Amino acid sequence: SQTIHQWPATLVQPVGSPLSLECTVEGTSNPNLYWYRQAAGRGLQLLFYSVGIGQISSEVPQNLSASRPQDRQFILSSKKLLLSDSGFYLCAWMKDRGDNEQFFGPGTRLTVL
Amino acid sequence: RKEVEQDPGPFNVPEGATVAFNCTYSNSASQSFFWYRQDCRKEPKLLMSVYSSGNEDGRFTAQLNRASQYISLLIRDSKLSDSATYLCAVNRRWGYNKLIFGAGTRLAVHP
Repeated sequence: SQTIHQWPATLVQPVGSPLSLECTVEGTSNPNLYWYRQAAGRGLQLLFYSVGIGQISSEVPQNLSASRPQDRQFILSSKKLLLSDSGFYLCAWMKDRGDNEQFFGPGTRLTVL
Repeated sequence: RKEVEQDPGPFNVPEGATVAFNCTYSNSASQSFFWYRQDCRKEPKLLMSVYSSGNEDGRFTAQLNRASQYISLLIRDSKLSDSATYLCAVNRRWGYNKLIFGAGTRLAVHP
């Protein structure tokens, strides 16, 4: 069966510091991968998606970036965090061909102080 | 207008009650529909897909109304453990598969 991992689970970072969040998927190949952010009490905002190694599309302009160095690895980064980057970051995967269902990792709760 | 809209609630219901949520979507090109459940400070988990003919999974029934562009979720015989936020999601293929999520409806089931 497929599993998706994210780490760290929680993170407290000062404004202006860098960020690296990692997501890995097991048990599937060539998945579509997604990064979402959920602000407190808000809906899910799609940040990036990837259909393959090295292929990244950005949904919203921001100071975050994403990379996909391996088929089942997706990384979210920032060079300098802003207060507004605080939130719950969720990675999700979808089968390349399937019923369009997305499955989420456990998330990383980021607080920028 | 948001592409996917839900009543934020909260819906406060007693155990055993039947409760229904609706979710409207604006893009008629939407192809697939889903309900997710999200517990406090946890990731959303897929509850069920919504099929054109409607589908049922135990106490949960999902329906799609393409003409009026909404999906619904009915929960019968509510349990305390049903307390959560319910997110609807609508798929649109725009060169890739993209899910648009509603902001969620909060359900609180009380004894």
